[in-house]
Amino acid sequence: GQQLNQSPQSMFIQEGEDVSMNCTSSSIFNTWLWYKQDPGEGPVLLIALYKAGELTSNGRLTAQFGITRKDSFLNISASIPSDVGIYFCAGRSGSARQLTFGSGTQLTVLP
Amino acid sequence: DAGVTQSPTHLIKTRGQQVTLRCSPKSGHDTVSWYQQALGQGPQFIFQYYEEEERQRGNFPDRFSGHQFPNYSSELNVNALLLGDSALYLCASSLSQGGYGYTFGSGTRLTVV
Repeated sequence: GQQLNQSPQSMFIQEGEDVSMNCTSSSIFNTWLWYKQDPGEGPVLLIALYKAGELTSNGRLTAQFGITRKDSFLNISASIPSDVGIYFCAGRSGSARQLTFGSGTQLTVLP
Repeated sequence: DAGVTQSPTHLIKTRGQQVTLRCSPKSGHDTVSWYQQALGQGPQFIFQYYEEEERQRGNFPDRFSGHQFPNYSSELNVNALLLGDSALYLCASSLSQGGYGYTFGSGTRLTVV
């Protein structure tokens, strides 16, 4: 089945630093989504990407849909303490109705 | 505007037992999907319900079954529980004709002992 490789698995950064994480797939997706999950909560959608090459921002967050349609990245600029959490990429391909999730990036922001 | 509501929040069951989890979708949404999230992993798709029918199913055994009611709420049933079924079960609702605006609930934490 489809698999998403998300990296890095975890990151420790200083407050104010920029962060970058990415996902690669063994197959093509036609939608890429980025979610954040806080402890005890469900994932919350951050950014949705629908076209190859698309670059979309949401405040300090920027995500891009790779040209090959097999990858995506998420950047967070000027990190703050509330950015702490687990970030997941998710993709949808063809006529599939389900989302395929990566294994997550655990982000820790140090003061 | 209430989001997705799941109950119960936590549950402890014994191997071999059966469990039912419940989900009320976000107001205006008509489609419900269920995901299983093991510790340290991303959510894995179980199945999706629309118009009271299972529309698509992931790679899960028949022990996992579901139902959608006329008011769009949904249940996930798991029979003959195994230790490996311990996980966070997430419900996500969406509008069938509305892109990919999935809204997730906070989940039900199931522990099988």
